[in-house]
Amino acid sequence: SQTIHQWPATLVQPVGSPLSLECTVEGTSNPNLYWYRQAAGRGLQLLFYSVGIGQISSEVPQNLSASRPQDRQFILSSKKLLLSDSGFYLCAWSVGGGGRGPASYEQYFGPGTRLTVT
Amino acid sequence: GEDVEQSLFLSVREGDSSVINCTYTDSSSTYLYWYKQEPGAGLQLLTYIFSNMDMKQDQRLTVLLNKKDKHLSLRIADTQTGDSAIYFCAERGSGNTGKLIFGQGTTLQVKP
Repeated sequence: SQTIHQWPATLVQPVGSPLSLECTVEGTSNPNLYWYRQAAGRGLQLLFYSVGIGQISSEVPQNLSASRPQDRQFILSSKKLLLSDSGFYLCAWSVGGGGRGPASYEQYFGPGTRLTVT
Repeated sequence: GEDVEQSLFLSVREGDSSVINCTYTDSSSTYLYWYKQEPGAGLQLLTYIFSNMDMKQDQRLTVLLNKKDKHLSLRIADTQTGDSAIYFCAERGSGNTGKLIFGQGTTLQVKP
């Protein structure tokens, strides 16, 4: 069966410090991968998605970047954190290959990382 | 463009029915989804509906789709305190990227 891991679960970082959040998926290959941010009391904002190794699409201009060094590894980074980067970061995966059925669009979410920038 | 709208908050008493509403803009959406997020956790898929269906029932959950009005609703029968969570509706994004467009989420509060 497939599982998705995120770490760390919580993180408190000062403004201006770097960031690295990691997400890994097990039990599937060539997944589509996604990073979302959920600010307090607000909905989900898609930050990045990836359909393959080294292929990253950014949805919104921001202080963050993403990388996919391996098929099932997705990393969210920043060189210098801002206060506005605080939030709950969720990684998700879906079946790759652009299929037509609902399962190809169903997204499976990790447990999330709570980031507080102080 | 693609946009999904939901009301932000709903409060019901335990045992009552809850109805969470959602509107979307992309008339070409073929699948629409309902996700549940419990406090401090990721999202879990509750159910989905194909656009050629008007209704789908799954135990206590009933999804109604009005494609003409681009309106989707989720009815939870006999709502329990364990149903308290944020509920997100989502539609498929365009292209083959697997993107979903999520609404803002509706916080459901169930009072005992």
